[in-house]
Amino acid sequence: GAVVSQHPSWVICKSGTSVKIECRSLDFQATTMFWYRQFPKQSLMLMATSNEGSKATYEQGVEKDKFLINHASLTLSTLTVTSAHPEDSSFYICSAKAGRNIQYFGAGTRLSVL
Amino acid sequence: EDQVTQSPEALRLQEGESSSLNCSYTVSGLRGLFWYRQDPGKGPEFLFTLYSAGEEKEKERLKATLTKKESFLHITAPKPEDSATYLCAVQGRLGGSEKLVFGKGTKLTVNP
Repeated sequence: GAVVSQHPSWVICKSGTSVKIECRSLDFQATTMFWYRQFPKQSLMLMATSNEGSKATYEQGVEKDKFLINHASLTLSTLTVTSAHPEDSSFYICSAKAGRNIQYFGAGTRLSVL
Repeated sequence: EDQVTQSPEALRLQEGESSSLNCSYTVSGLRGLFWYRQDPGKGPEFLFTLYSAGEEKEKERLKATLTKKESFLHITAPKPEDSATYLCAVQGRLGGSEKLVFGKGTKLTVNP
């Protein structure tokens, strides 16, 4: 199956700093990638849809200036959490679309903001 | 708004004890229903996609079925390695979005 790599798997940062998370499709090209957030015992919630070479589409209630998404190539999308605060602590997961509209997920990034 | 409800929230089975997980959904025109498996601290692993009512798919001990209102994930003679959280998601046709709407999942524990 299609492989999606996400890095880092775990990051701790101080409040007010920025954190970048990378999502790569390793064995296929992905024109569309997605960023989700998952709180404990909650469902995955889509934050934004990232299309290669164009601006990301954000879901209602997600601050685009806080969660910067860049999809500069067909195999890489990045999510930057700017000026992170403790309430941004969560599990962030990316996915990439392959084949017949199937999303393959990365292993996720656990973000802890102190 | 598309919605997915999964039941039960948690299920404990003995090894070899077959059972089913339920996924009820409402969607504005179904493009696809997806089943994923998620292990603790990991991203979801793709299992199945179902596109129309009556469709069934199988993989090892798992079988997914679909009606117009719900999907079932049947687990036959489960093994401890089947322990995980199983997620159901739908993709609707409204607005051409490729968004997946997930349920909260069913946490399955299979005891040896």
